[in-house]
Amino acid sequence: EDQVTQSPEALRLQEGESSSLNCSYTVSGLRGLFWYRQDPGKGPEFLFTLYSAGEEKEKERLKATLTKKESFLHITAPKPEDSATYLCAVRDAGGTSYGKLTFGQGTILTVHP
Amino acid sequence: EAGVAQSPRYKIIEKRQSVAFWCNPISGHATLYWYQQILGQGPKLLIQFQNNGVVDDSQLPKDRFSAERLKGVDSTLKIQPAKLEDSAVYLCASSLTLGNSPLHFGNGTRLTVT
Repeated sequence: EDQVTQSPEALRLQEGESSSLNCSYTVSGLRGLFWYRQDPGKGPEFLFTLYSAGEEKEKERLKATLTKKESFLHITAPKPEDSATYLCAVRDAGGTSYGKLTFGQGTILTVHP
Repeated sequence: EAGVAQSPRYKIIEKRQSVAFWCNPISGHATLYWYQQILGQGPKLLIQFQNNGVVDDSQLPKDRFSAERLKGVDSTLKIQPAKLEDSAVYLCASSLTLGNSPLHFGNGTRLTVT
């Protein structure tokens, strides 16, 4: 069974204080690792897909990296508008249900001005 | 492109009552998913459709939950009878079938069972 664990559960930063969120995963074969952002009262919004170890993707102040066991979401010089819950999810290459994503519990990020 | 549409946004019912949620996916997306998100947790898959066929419903409590996707477009998720532990946000998502495309989510229906 696929498992995704995110840490920390919550992270409070000052504006401009860089940090990283962690996503550890267990799958029989990784087809893709996905990062989403979720604002209160909204559905998850897609950020990145990573496919293989060593891959990196960037978008504004966010950079996602991938190893064989975990992914990191690095936030550089965050702003208050980066405050949200960040969700990590995996898509298994095997299994009987092609396409579905298995999510972690999320990291709640709060950036103070 | 229009996103995934869901209704209603909020619903409050008493336990043992029934409720239904509606979802209209992004045009051209053959795969549709219903996820349940309990407060403080990540989304959990309930059921996945490919066109109008069920691909995975292994996590769906079939004694009380049902879902259909007639004509391979819109979908309805029903709970009957509801329990207190069904209080959650019900998210609908859709994706392209080919490739490793991401899921696109609607804003969900927040259900409160009293």
